[in-house]
Formats: sequence, structure tokens, C-alpha cells
Amino acid sequence: DGGITQSPKYLFRKEGQNVTLSCEQNLNHDAMYWYRQDPGQGLRLIYYSQIVNDFQKGDIAEGYSVSREKKESFPLTVTSAQKNPTAFYLCASSLQGNQPQHFGDGTRLSIL
Amino acid sequence: AQSVTQLDSHVSVSEGTPVLLRCNYSSSYSPSLFWYVQHPNKGLQLLLKYTSAATLVKGINGFEAEFKKSETSFHLTKPSAHMSDAAEYFCVLETGNTGKLIFGQGTTLQVKP
Repeated sequence: DGGITQSPKYLFRKEGQNVTLSCEQNLNHDAMYWYRQDPGQGLRLIYYSQIVNDFQKGDIAEGYSVSREKKESFPLTVTSAQKNPTAFYLCASSLQGNQPQHFGDGTRLSIL
Repeated sequence: AQSVTQLDSHVSVSEGTPVLLRCNYSSSYSPSLFWYVQHPNKGLQLLLKYTSAATLVKGINGFEAEFKKSETSFHLTKPSAHMSDAAEYFCVLETGNTGKLIFGQGTTLQVKP
């Protein structure tokens, strides 16, 4: 079955640590996206990538970093510079930038 | 400026009664609009999309939405609610060819037996 896999489902971070969230898709989609969701709010775009080896900042990129070395993979690193990292993180992909996005099941990040 | 406003943060209906979730948008361009549904601790699932074809769009699970340019609205409806429809619903505006999306704040749909 084709889809988007996010791992882990739950992640805990200590103060001052960097953590990396995994996102893999086997849909052969060109574009991939990372969103942050906070309680009672819609999704906010962190980073997006329309093609391998290229990515752009979204609306709330500070404290985050990404890479896009392979078409299938778009990992997100939450750095220690992100002061309020506790949130639900969602990865999405689309065939091209103007096609509907398909979402993974998310990773919930909490601070210990 | 482009924006999406979901007019109700919470809607409660009885099983078997109609559902109406309201969404208004603001866009300088001919918009592409979507409705997504999110069940607890899950990702978002596409219900339907409007991309300047027919103004009445039919989606999955019996949902449909009508694009009204004069009212800048894209309300989601379903004739008869089912318990499994209880979830969070997001109205979403696409801003251009990059695929960047603007999300509404979400509407929680509660379905009572």
C-alpha cells in the first residue's frame, strides 16, 4: 500500500537536545511538507520541498531544519533553538505543488 | 491578503440530522479550496476539493460543499450525520502553484446518539 509513514508516533525530548522526526513516502510524490499543529489551531507550515535537494522555509521555520537528499524522505530536526517544541507534527506530500496533499499520521513531541 | 475563516469552532448534531460546517475565504485569485477531516491523533484525510470546475463538489462519505463566489463561502454539508463523522474538520485554501496551504482554525463536529 502506498502512503506516508511518520516515526516515531510519540517522541520525548530533554531540554537542550535536538531530535529528528522521520517522514517517508512511497507515493512517488515530488513535493513534501512539514506542519506543526497546536491544540485548537489549524496547521502551520514549517518547511516544504518541491524537489530533491531543494527546500524552502514556511511560516514558522525558526528552530527547525530539514534535508531532502532522497525523493522518498524528508526528515525534520527540531533543534534546541525551538523554545516551544511541544506539538503534533504532520508530514504531507503531493504529486506536484498544486495537487492535493496526503498526510501521515503524525508525531507527537513532548518535552521531559 | 488570503485567509480562511471557519465560523464555528464547535458544532453538535444528533445522529441522522443534517450537518453544516461553515467556511469563508478571502483570496485575490481564483481559489482552490479543500475540506479535510482529522480523527484524534491521526493525520488529515481529504474529503473534497474545489478547483474552478463545478461549484457543487461531492466528496467522500456523503459530504459535499458548494462554492459561492458572491458570498466567498465554501460550506460543507452532509444530509445525515453518522457517529463516525465525529472529528475535526478543516477548510483549506491553496495559495498558488507551490502548494502552500492556509488552514482554517478547525471545527469540531460532535455527533450525539
